[in-house]
Amino acid sequence: EIVMTQSPATLSVSPGERATLSCRASQSVSRNLAWYQQKPGQAPRLLIYGASNRATGFPARFSGSGAGTEFTLTISSLQSEDFAVYYCQQYNNWPETFGQGTKVEIK
Amino acid sequence: QVQLQESGPGLMKPSQTLSLTCTVSGGSISSGGYYWSWIRQPAGKGLEWIGRIFPNGNINYNPSLKSRVTISLDTSKNQFSLNLTSVDASDTAVYYCARDGFGDHWFDPWGQGTLVTVSS
Repeated sequence: EIVMTQSPATLSVSPGERATLSCRASQSVSRNLAWYQQKPGQAPRLLIYGASNRATGFPARFSGSGAGTEFTLTISSLQSEDFAVYYCQQYNNWPETFGQGTKVEIK
Repeated sequence: QVQLQESGPGLMKPSQTLSLTCTVSGGSISSGGYYWSWIRQPAGKGLEWIGRIFPNGNINYNPSLKSRVTISLDTSKNQFSLNLTSVDASDTAVYYCARDGFGDHWFDPWGQGTLVTVSS
């Protein structure tokens, strides 16, 4: 199965600053990559699909990029409601697999 | 809009069979061309896809759990279910159900999740 590796494990960012999260696949997943946001006590929520398509309800400060094995989620100016754990997931190969998550915390 | 809700026992003993049900509201489980999936998350850890079912009966399981997992569908109740046999402490997790795209297997939306604890 494809192993998804996210870095860093924890990212400390001040409100208003830019956050850049990375996700690497152990083999090419084309652009079949999704990102999820999970807040404490809540289910994950689809944020990005197709590597760069923003899901309904998320503002434009969230953007995704990449293809093949290297992907990035960028939050251009962190707001208080963005502090959460973010997971990437590949759906190019069965079984679908997730990264271990990056926690974005307040600096 | 489609909403999902998991239900099932919160506490189980080792070797028992876990049975969970996901009730779908706001849309029919048998229309729209979607798969329906189960995903779990041990406390403080990442996410593991368990398996999926399509209304025509097509089913996929994660090979890591395939020998113990059964997923079924009840279109009359707009529900799908998960059975996991011979549970042990490593099966302790929050279990989520989610809608799963046909062809593009991202998950949206998710149920709120239900915590299952396996302990003697």
